[in-house]
Amino acid sequence: GAVVSQHPSRVICKSGTSVKIECRSLDFQATTMFWYRQFPKQSLMLMATSNEGSKATYEQGVEKDKFLINHASLTLSTLTVTSAHPEDSSFYICSASPTGKDTQYFGPGTRLTVL
Amino acid sequence: QQQVKQSPQSLIVQKGGISIINCAYENTAFDYFPWYQQFPGKGPALLIAIRPDVSEKKEGRFTISFNKSAKQFSLHIMDSQPGDSATYFCAASILNTGKLIFGQGTTLQVKP
Repeated sequence: GAVVSQHPSRVICKSGTSVKIECRSLDFQATTMFWYRQFPKQSLMLMATSNEGSKATYEQGVEKDKFLINHASLTLSTLTVTSAHPEDSSFYICSASPTGKDTQYFGPGTRLTVL
Repeated sequence: QQQVKQSPQSLIVQKGGISIINCAYENTAFDYFPWYQQFPGKGPALLIAIRPDVSEKKEGRFTISFNKSAKQFSLHIMDSQPGDSATYFCAASILNTGKLIFGQGTTLQVKP
């Protein structure tokens, strides 16, 4: 149990376009989901906390207008990278915690390459 | 104060040996300490986790040792295997937020 999926696994887009990444908890409900960014050979950096039915909370330095997060249901959160640029190229990973639990389960990640 | 410091950055161990990775923190509001294993191109997978009211937790070949007074915790991998070669991250969760602060990561290589 406790499986989190992400779609797509890889995406290549042109500079200036927007990309949407989906994160789904497949076998549990998650009031809260998290979005992370990971550069090669570096650690995971928390970008934002996504709460079902309310606005996301962004970490300091993360542009909320660039990284749009929507958590419309207890099993789905989406991250939209708007007007993507090459510096946005990274590995984006989501995680979800079963409601009431501390344990976070991570998705397989999405490799975004902006040309 | 929000940092979690992890060492070493990289580690090479012979098959059958013990791998030890250490983490230290400052914020006493952290109340949950998981360890994650990550293979290249994959998301992190939860290995084992501990709360500060316990000094040690063991699951199979993986053991967490926790020293609350020193604000340190470590992961021990017994009988290390080549399949354990991966990057390991410690993390700490802030009370009532669920937010995870990750250590810098340790790349483990287990030689056959």
